[in-house]
Amino acid sequence: EAGVAQSPRYKIIEKRQSVAFWCNPISGHATLYWYQQILGQGPKLLIQFQNNGVVDDSQLPKDRFSAERLKGVDSTLKIQPAKLEDSAVYLCASSPRTGARWVTNEKLFFGSGTQLSVL
Amino acid sequence: QQQVKQSPQSLIVQKGGISIINCAYENTAFDYFPWYQQFPGKGPALLIAIRPDVSEKKEGRFTISFNKSAKQFSLHIMDSQPGDSATYFCAARDGNTPLVFGKGTRLSVIA
Repeated sequence: EAGVAQSPRYKIIEKRQSVAFWCNPISGHATLYWYQQILGQGPKLLIQFQNNGVVDDSQLPKDRFSAERLKGVDSTLKIQPAKLEDSAVYLCASSPRTGARWVTNEKLFFGSGTQLSVL
Repeated sequence: QQQVKQSPQSLIVQKGGISIINCAYENTAFDYFPWYQQFPGKGPALLIAIRPDVSEKKEGRFTISFNKSAKQFSLHIMDSQPGDSATYFCAARDGNTPLVFGKGTRLSVIA
């Protein structure tokens, strides 16, 4: 079974530039998450999709971050314009949960992430 | 606000020894406590998880101990091996919120 695919693997940009990350979840997984992992910290949820609808984007800095999941499969996360503090690993995760309601013991499958450096 | 406090930040253990990582939480509504293992350059992967209705769960060399009254849970790695060297994250959630992660513990098992 193929895992969660993410690209690019690394990205270096200057502040105020824009950047986009791509995620392809495990086939059949309806739920998709984007997490931000700053060096030395645990992952922090940015946004959650159920199929192609947003379930939770309360922690997404909407003035500069945007995300979409067209057709309920692939997803892209965009930052425009980037700031120095956006330097982090951006992780995509998926789960087989099909309902909008939380499942307590939901297992998340993470991709390897995109490491972003903003100079 | 850090909802799950994890310690230590880093840990060095001799091969064959026991690795112990601790986490504490405040939200009594949390009812699921997983541990994730992350190798360099990889995403976190679920290692083991526990619900608060049991005090201990064991899977191979990995054991979670859970103390509901103290609002603490810990990961024990028995017979630690160099291949266990990774960063370990505790996490927690209730039925209405996504997972919240601790800051991680970097484990190094030396021969």
